[in-house]
Amino acid sequence: EAAVTQSPRNKVAVTGGKVTLSCNQTNNHNNMYWYRQDTGHGLRLIHYSYGAGSTEKGDIPDGYKASRPSQENFSLILELATPSQTSVYFCASGAPAWGYEQYFGPGTRLTVL
Amino acid sequence: QQQVRQSPQSLTVWEGGTTVLTCSYEDSTFNYFPWYQQFPGEGPALLISILSVSDKKEDGRFTTFFNKREKKLSLHIIDSQPGDSATYFCAASGAGANTGKLTFGHGTILRVHP
Repeated sequence: EAAVTQSPRNKVAVTGGKVTLSCNQTNNHNNMYWYRQDTGHGLRLIHYSYGAGSTEKGDIPDGYKASRPSQENFSLILELATPSQTSVYFCASGAPAWGYEQYFGPGTRLTVL
Repeated sequence: QQQVRQSPQSLTVWEGGTTVLTCSYEDSTFNYFPWYQQFPGEGPALLISILSVSDKKEDGRFTTFFNKREKKLSLHIIDSQPGDSATYFCAASGAGANTGKLTFGHGTILRVHP
């Protein structure tokens, strides 16, 4: 079964600070994704990657950067965190195949004070 | 602009009953429609999915139906169990440049009472 882990699981940050959320997958999937989940909005795609060295903007990329240094790792970076970025963040991995099934990590709860 | 609309927002059924969740979408290029199940404190987990070339897919107590003409899909859970209590999301993705990019509905909170 797919294995996607995220760290940290919980994070409290201050406004204007830098936050890095990390994701690791052991499925050897090419594609990785970052979503945020807010009540009333479901999951929204922030950034995604088709492989090491690539990052693409999703539907709500403003205020976020992403980094894919290797097949296994995908990071989400908030250079200047704001309270509006308080949310639960999910990482997912998926393989290019008909259907593009995605496997999600357990999530990181981020609070920006 | 919400491309995938899901209803109802919440639903309560009795144990043993049938649960029906529905979604509609606007983008005619969508061709892959997964349903995800999420328990509190966990990430979404793929429950069942269907491609636009099919109109029905069944997996145990879970069946998803797809109507291309009406741009609608539904999830039916028969013999609903308290353990099915969770939030359910429908999602959609298309071919080409958007392949792999999922657009999610807002979710349905399901409570199954014993």
